[in-house]
Amino acid sequence: QKEVEQDPGPLSVPEGAIVSLNCTYSNSAFQYFMWYRQYSRKGPELLMYTYSSGNKEDGRFTAQVDKSSKYISLFIRDSQPSDSATYLCAMSLLNRDDKIIFGKGTRLHILP
Amino acid sequence: DSGVTQTPKHLITATGQRVTLRCSPRSGDLSVYWYQQSLDQGLQFLIQYYNGEERAKGNILERFSAQQFPDLHSELNLSSLELGDSALYFCASSVGASGRAEADTQYFGPGTRLTVL
Repeated sequence: QKEVEQDPGPLSVPEGAIVSLNCTYSNSAFQYFMWYRQYSRKGPELLMYTYSSGNKEDGRFTAQVDKSSKYISLFIRDSQPSDSATYLCAMSLLNRDDKIIFGKGTRLHILP
Repeated sequence: DSGVTQTPKHLITATGQRVTLRCSPRSGDLSVYWYQQSLDQGLQFLIQYYNGEERAKGNILERFSAQQFPDLHSELNLSSLELGDSALYFCASSVGASGRAEADTQYFGPGTRLTVL
């Protein structure tokens, strides 16, 4: 079983819809959870991070962590064409020297 | 623009050859990270340098090596190249050594696309 699983998509939704992106993971020791956004021909950029369980909201974006189910989600409200990108989930252990493990990314298309 | 620069943008070479990828971190950042991104493996951490010293190692092949120079720029050397080494290679930098989002965000460069023929 891979450490982090993410549906590659592509996921196409109409402008204004709520988008739900998800990852599952196998290592229950993961404590830090992140979402990166990667536009075509660009490097990833950090979008949101959460520590341990719970929700975190930033504007139109909400990150959710369910450690009991080993499942994390990113919700995008009022989606815009500019949200079209690949979204990568990422996570790491508590030890400060542990590397970040990335999902393969979900390609998202917001249709105008 | 993240402030991290990578050269070259594209590199096309043949199997068995050796190439060097270069990265300049953001001003003030002491850590440099190297990642490989391919369709089948996704984004994989290769190696991290902090202030000139190797800090952490990931899935880096023995044919690959890296170093960080006193001016903090870094180079990734790939030798005896194989077709499977074709990928996007990203460099990221952060201020500190942990690279953790909450205190030490990693900023990614635009990448170098390597094609091995």
